[in-house]
Amino acid sequence: GAGVSQSPRYKVAKRGQDVALRCDPISGHVSLFWYQQALGQGPEFLTYFQNEAQLDKSGLPSDRFFAERPEGSVSTLKIQRTQQEDSAVYLCASSSWGQPQHFGDGTRLSIL
Amino acid sequence: GDSVTQMEGPVTLSEEAFLTINCTYTATGYPSLFWYVQYPGEGLQLLLKATKADDKGSNKGFEATYRKETTSFHLEKGSVQVSDSAVYFCALRPVSGNKLVFGAGTILRVKS
Repeated sequence: GAGVSQSPRYKVAKRGQDVALRCDPISGHVSLFWYQQALGQGPEFLTYFQNEAQLDKSGLPSDRFFAERPEGSVSTLKIQRTQQEDSAVYLCASSSWGQPQHFGDGTRLSIL
Repeated sequence: GDSVTQMEGPVTLSEEAFLTINCTYTATGYPSLFWYVQYPGEGLQLLLKATKADDKGSNKGFEATYRKETTSFHLEKGSVQVSDSAVYFCALRPVSGNKLVFGAGTILRVKS
């Protein structure tokens, strides 16, 4: 596709459930990023992949958060045992090496 | 650590007014600087960038100049339109690293 695609656009889950969020980056982009954006705030970095290698996961808030990119293309962000404070918009971005990041429209996650 | 500070909003202007949104940063060396814009329900779109001191980024009538001496990257536009209403984010990419560090965002509302 022409841009970064994220699915689902909206996800509602009950507290304690596991969720999986998908990101399809722009074709050929080696770098992929996940950010968390709380309401009224700027995005905050979660994790970074270069191809299939997860080079930086310093922003993941707890061990309930897990991300993978097994074939160096599509990435999945998984949150286990969701809690209310996980409610946010999760943004995915991709880029060619050294170039600006292109963002998807995000997944809005609401935990009830 | 690296950080970005933006002027608080919302900023409310009449159509054709002059716009300034202040942004200052804290970082080591010469980070790359960016302005992103987020329209309601959408992801972030790159508006402009600058990668070294005294560079001026420009796009769609918006401009920002990388000022190392004041560690600033203020966004300006000479004549705003209603369609410019959005949230504007200032961000930096550290010298060593790939992740973006964002400010909290500034809401711009333009009235006709």
